[in-house]
Amino acid sequence: DTEVTQTPKHLVMGMTNKKSLKCEQHMGHRAMYWYKQKAKKPPELMFVYSYEKLSINESVPSRFSPECPNSSLLNLHLHALQPEDSALYLCASSQRAGGDYGYTFGSGTRLTVV
Amino acid sequence: QKEVEQNSGPLSVPEGAIASLNCTYSDRVSQSFFWYRQYSGKSPELIMSIYSNGDKEDGRFTAQLNKASQYVSLLIRDSQPSDSATYLCALSLSGNEKLTFGTGTRLTIIP
Repeated sequence: DTEVTQTPKHLVMGMTNKKSLKCEQHMGHRAMYWYKQKAKKPPELMFVYSYEKLSINESVPSRFSPECPNSSLLNLHLHALQPEDSALYLCASSQRAGGDYGYTFGSGTRLTVV
Repeated sequence: QKEVEQNSGPLSVPEGAIASLNCTYSDRVSQSFFWYRQYSGKSPELIMSIYSNGDKEDGRFTAQLNKASQYVSLLIRDSQPSDSATYLCALSLSGNEKLTFGTGTRLTIIP
């Protein structure tokens, strides 16, 4: 299995809703990442998990809350989002944390906040 | 100066020709370099990685790295319409836990 699976593929949520994005990999990778990508822009790093521990938070607003229940799963909990948070949210994994290893990206969740 | 710079394009190349994509970077201690391909509305896909000076070939793709001049390039031979996509250059610093992405170059292969 060489995939990173993200669910849901599309999500529309209101500004008062609470929702979660899910990411799963079974490649034995010990680093997992959340990225946000706006149209015609490169991916922006949000969070890095290394061995299930949060190692980087790129000053992301608290309305985004990551969780890593085990080495295969990564969640992103969303609450009280703003319309400007609408974007493609990408999960990625790599063998170990660190840019020496290429990332495998999931197919992403297209989020629209209304 | 941006950490990773790419010409945003669009770069138009006739089918069957060689497409040449370039990326320059500012930090001399950058260690690992990657090229990702991203189709519109899809996620990035790793197509090449290169870690040492010189050329690395994989099928129709060749990555070239010159650390002294701080650039990395991607050549696509025998370009096909299916190569039309945005190509993202990414790099990492030794011991750094993240990749830094360039803004991407949009490539269009003209049949």
